[in-house]
Amino acid sequence: SQKIEQNSEALNIQEGKTATLTCNYTNYSPAYLQWYRQDPGRGPVFLLLIRENEKEKRKERLKVTFDTTLKQSLFHITASQPADSATYLCALGTRQAGTALIFGKGTTLSVSS
Amino acid sequence: GAVVSQHPSRVICKSGTSVKIECRSLDFQATTMFWYRQFPKKSLMLMATSNEGSKATYEQGVEKDKFLINHASLTLSTLTVTSAHPEDSSFYICSARDPGQGYDEQYFGPGTRLTVT
Repeated sequence: SQKIEQNSEALNIQEGKTATLTCNYTNYSPAYLQWYRQDPGRGPVFLLLIRENEKEKRKERLKVTFDTTLKQSLFHITASQPADSATYLCALGTRQAGTALIFGKGTTLSVSS
Repeated sequence: GAVVSQHPSRVICKSGTSVKIECRSLDFQATTMFWYRQFPKKSLMLMATSNEGSKATYEQGVEKDKFLINHASLTLSTLTVTSAHPEDSSFYICSARDPGQGYDEQYFGPGTRLTVT
């Protein structure tokens, strides 16, 4: 069966360090992968999308990599700040229009000052 | 990015009553919207895909007679929880794809916290 795993349920790091979150998937061939941020009691907020033919995508302090051979995506936040503390979700999507994303369970990041 | 709104943000209702939740795409037209449910510390669980002008497609295990979905226009989808019970208490979130973004990027509403007493 299709499975998406975000390896760490929780990740604690010091302010200024780089946070690296992992998303692995099995029995799935996604056309793209998305990363979202979710704060408690709020809906997910879109951060980045990376397609199967892309290796890396950047946006300000965020960087996403996508390795379809390893079936893995890494999400990096550089120079992390306490305001980056939240739950980060990865989600896979297919080429078929109108289909929903499949989400991982998320990693809760805590950045301490 | 595209904006999706939900109303209400919180609702408390008595067991046996029905509750309607609205999901609107504010600055784009969405032929497809999605409804998710999320339990505390759990991931989003897809309930159904809402298609404008046609019946919704429900995921396995989701009772379509209990969770009524109507996609009346290109900017509005509603989820009605009928004869609500305490076990229906949850966080309900809708999302939509913005055609202007090539249908890939998906934007979520802020969610609706339903509490059934």
